[in-house]
Amino acid sequence: EAQVTQNPRYLITVTGKKLTVTCSQNMNHEYMSWYRQDPGLGLRQIYYSMNVEVTDKGDVPEGYKVSRKEKRNFPLILESPSPNQTSLYFCASSSARRDKNTEAFFGQGTRLTVV
Amino acid sequence: AQSVTQPDIHITVSEGASLELRCNYSYGATPYLFWYVQSPGQGLQLLLKYFSGDTLVQGIKGFEAEFKRSQSSFNLRKPSVHWSDAAEYFCAVALSGYALNFGKGTSLLVTP
Repeated sequence: EAQVTQNPRYLITVTGKKLTVTCSQNMNHEYMSWYRQDPGLGLRQIYYSMNVEVTDKGDVPEGYKVSRKEKRNFPLILESPSPNQTSLYFCASSSARRDKNTEAFFGQGTRLTVV
Repeated sequence: AQSVTQPDIHITVSEGASLELRCNYSYGATPYLFWYVQSPGQGLQLLLKYFSGDTLVQGIKGFEAEFKRSQSSFNLRKPSVHWSDAAEYFCAVALSGYALNFGKGTSLLVTP
């Protein structure tokens, strides 16, 4: 089954304690990205990756890091989390094909609370 | 600047009534267009998408959307709403087909 898997689904942490949210896809997709969802703001892109070792900033990259060492994995790293990073996070992947069959697949989301 | 606007933050409809959710975009070229639905506590599910061709697009769960180039709009419609349609709906656009820019969402409430 084609899927994007995020872990953990829920996380409560304290300010300043480094954390990593993992994302893995089994569709051999080139493109992966991270979004955060906040009430009234919709989904905003944090970082994206066009392929292995190729990453770039999205609209709200401050306070986040990513890496793409393998095609299937795209972890999101918060080196020093702060309360304003409390949010619902989604990972997504899609093929790099630009045709009608292109579709972004989303993970189930990670609800992060930073206290 | 490139933007996606969903003018309605909340919409309430009666079960069985018709539904239209609005989406407008501001891009230099015609982008790829998507509608996603998010049920409470759930992830995002793709309802339908437009890449080219027929401007009336059919999706899952009885939804359809019409692309109107002259109005830069991609409104989502459903002839008869069911209580299970209560959810958050997001319009999204992309120039490349995969780098999505989302609207802020419309929350749909369905009353008996």
